[in-house]
Formats: sequence, C-alpha cells, structure tokens
Amino acid sequence: NAGVMQNPRHLVRRRGQEARLRCSPMKGHSHVYWYRQLPEEGLKFMVYLQKENIIDESGMPKERFSAEFPKEGPSILRIQQVVRGDSAAYFCASSKESGPAYGYTFGSGTRLTVV
Amino acid sequence: AQSVTQLDSQVPVFEEAPVELRCNYSSSVSVYLFWYVQYPNQGLQLLLKYLSGSTLVESINGFEAEFNKSQTSFHLRKPSVHISDTAEYFCAVSEAHNQGGKLIFGQGTELSVKP
Repeated sequence: NAGVMQNPRHLVRRRGQEARLRCSPMKGHSHVYWYRQLPEEGLKFMVYLQKENIIDESGMPKERFSAEFPKEGPSILRIQQVVRGDSAAYFCASSKESGPAYGYTFGSGTRLTVV
Repeated sequence: AQSVTQLDSQVPVFEEAPVELRCNYSSSVSVYLFWYVQYPNQGLQLLLKYLSGSTLVESINGFEAEFNKSQTSFHLRKPSVHISDTAEYFCAVSEAHNQGGKLIFGQGTELSVKP
C-alpha cells in the first residue's frame, strides 16, 4: 500500500512561470491537506480539500494560488506567475477521516525553487 | 486561534544523554496535541499524539510527552538518545472536535545527537 505520493520531488521554475504540484493520497483516503514550509520555519496550513470540494482555504494566498482535488486523479496545487518568495517545500497530507486526530499521512514533499 | 511555540531552535546533545524538547501552546478551546519528526529531505512522520485520557503518551521508539493543561505545555522527552534520533521535531496543535481541523505547527527544533 503506497503512501502519499507527491511529484515532482524537486521543481525549478523561472520567475513568471507556472508551477503544478501533484499529490496522490493513500488508497482509501478522501481528505487532502496542503502545507507550505518556508526555509527555517514550520509548516503552514494552506488548504483542505475533499473530492471535488474545497473545505477550508483560509491559508491560501489570495492571488496566484489555487488547488483542486478532482473526482479522478491527484490533487493539484497550482501556482501561477511564481516569484522568488514562493520557493519552499510543499507538503501534502491525506487522511481517511476528517481531521488530524484520525491520523494524517504526509508525503515527502515537493521542493520548489524559483530562479 | 491557536499558536505553538517551540522554545529551542537547536538542541545539541551527546549520544545516550537525556533530552527534552519544549513546546508551549496557546488556545482558547480544547486542543489535540502532536509531535512530528522530519528526517532530512523527507516528509513528516507522526511520533505521538494526545487526544484525551492519560496525559502521558509514548511512542514506540522511546519518546514520551506529557500534556500539562495548567502550563499549556506538551514537552517531548527521551531518557537516552541515539544518533539515529537526529532530525527536526515539530510540535503541533489542532482544535479538538473540529471536523477538518488543520494543524498549527511550531517553528521546529533541530535535534543533533553527537557521538
């Protein structure tokens, strides 16, 4: 049973390009969470999704960032017109039930570098 | 709103010595508490969690943490560390009984175990 799969592991983008980060949750998990880890900082919540629905996007920047979790396929975190400040590690977590009390499983992350 | 403070950003310690990683939280509602460990270039792994009941919780690899409600703390301890415990440790809280509760992380403590 594969864990949470994130790809790519490393992504380099030039300023102004788009970044697409993918997250395949564990089998049987229908809840997906995205977190961002800036250098020398802890993880910050970005968005919580269930299949086809955004439940909580209170941590998402108002512009350039969007997330989806379609009925089929992985969850996608999309960053348009990237800037240097977007350089960070982006982690996805999934769970079978809603909420971390039921046990998140984290992926290994995508490390985005904007040059 | 909740917040988490990890008082030490780096903790160097010799092998087989005891260690305590400190975590304090702030919240106006009941919380769940977690410790996660992150090895280099990997995702976070759940070390232990407090949801309710006994205030002392243990992990399978010798770590323990005690929930102290009056001091709003959840310090992580291990009586004898190994080289393999070298990693970054994150304390986190979530609002109890909140469906879809997101995790609020501390800034992390880098534990460095030296021979």
